[in-house]
Amino acid sequence: KAGVTQTPRYLIKTRGQQVTLSCSPISGHRSVSWYQQTPGQGLQFLFEYFSETQRNKGNFPGRFSGRQFSNSRSEMNVSTLELGDSALYLCASSFIRQGQFSYEQYFGPGTRLTVT
Amino acid sequence: DQQVKQNSPSLSVQEGRISILNCDYTNSMFDYFLWYKKYPAEGPTFLISISSIKDKNEDGRFTVFLNKSAKHLSLHIVPSQPGDSAVYFCAASRLYSGGSNYKLTFGKGTLLTVNP
Repeated sequence: KAGVTQTPRYLIKTRGQQVTLSCSPISGHRSVSWYQQTPGQGLQFLFEYFSETQRNKGNFPGRFSGRQFSNSRSEMNVSTLELGDSALYLCASSFIRQGQFSYEQYFGPGTRLTVT
Repeated sequence: DQQVKQNSPSLSVQEGRISILNCDYTNSMFDYFLWYKKYPAEGPTFLISISSIKDKNEDGRFTVFLNKSAKHLSLHIVPSQPGDSAVYFCAASRLYSGGSNYKLTFGKGTLLTVNP
C-alpha cells in the first residue's frame, strides 16, 4: 500500500505571497491532519479533516486554511506569507473504523517551505 | 504552555545497551500516548502506543511505560542499535466523544545517538 504523499517536497516563496500544499492519504484513510514543524516549537497541530469537514483546529492565525476533497485528498493554504512561516509542513492520515478509532497517524515526508 | 515535555534534547548510548527516553505531560485529560521516530528528511514513523488503562506496552525491542500519577511516560529500547539513531517524539491525545475527533500534541523531541 502506498504511503502518504505530499507535493511539492520543497518550495521557496517570498513574503506576502500565498502557497498551497497538497497531501494524498493512504488509500482507505479518511482522516487527514496537518502539522507544522519548526526547530523552536517542534510539531504543532494545524487542523484535522474527516469526510471533507474540518473537525479540529490548532492555534494558528486565519492565514492558515485547508480543505479536504471527496477522495480524502487534502490541501492546505497559507496566505500573506511571513518569514516565520518557514517550516516543514507534515500531513498525516489515519484509518477510522466504525465503533473504534486509531490514534495512530501515518505521516508523509513533508513539504519544506522557505519564505524569503 | 507546553503540555508535553521532553526535557532531554539529546541522549547518547552505546550499542547493545538500554536507551531510556522520557516524556512528561501536564494535561490530565490525555489518555493515549504514542512514540514516533523521525529520521532527517522523512516524516515521523509510528513506533508504539499506550492507553491510560495500561501501564506497560511491549513491542519487540521497544517498551513504553506509563505512570499516570506522575504524568510520566518512558520509552525503553533494548538492546539499542546504531539504526535506532533518530529523533524520538512523544505525543499525547485526548479521547473525544464521537470516537474519532482528535489531535496529537507532541513534545519537542529527543535526539538519540547510538554509538557502535
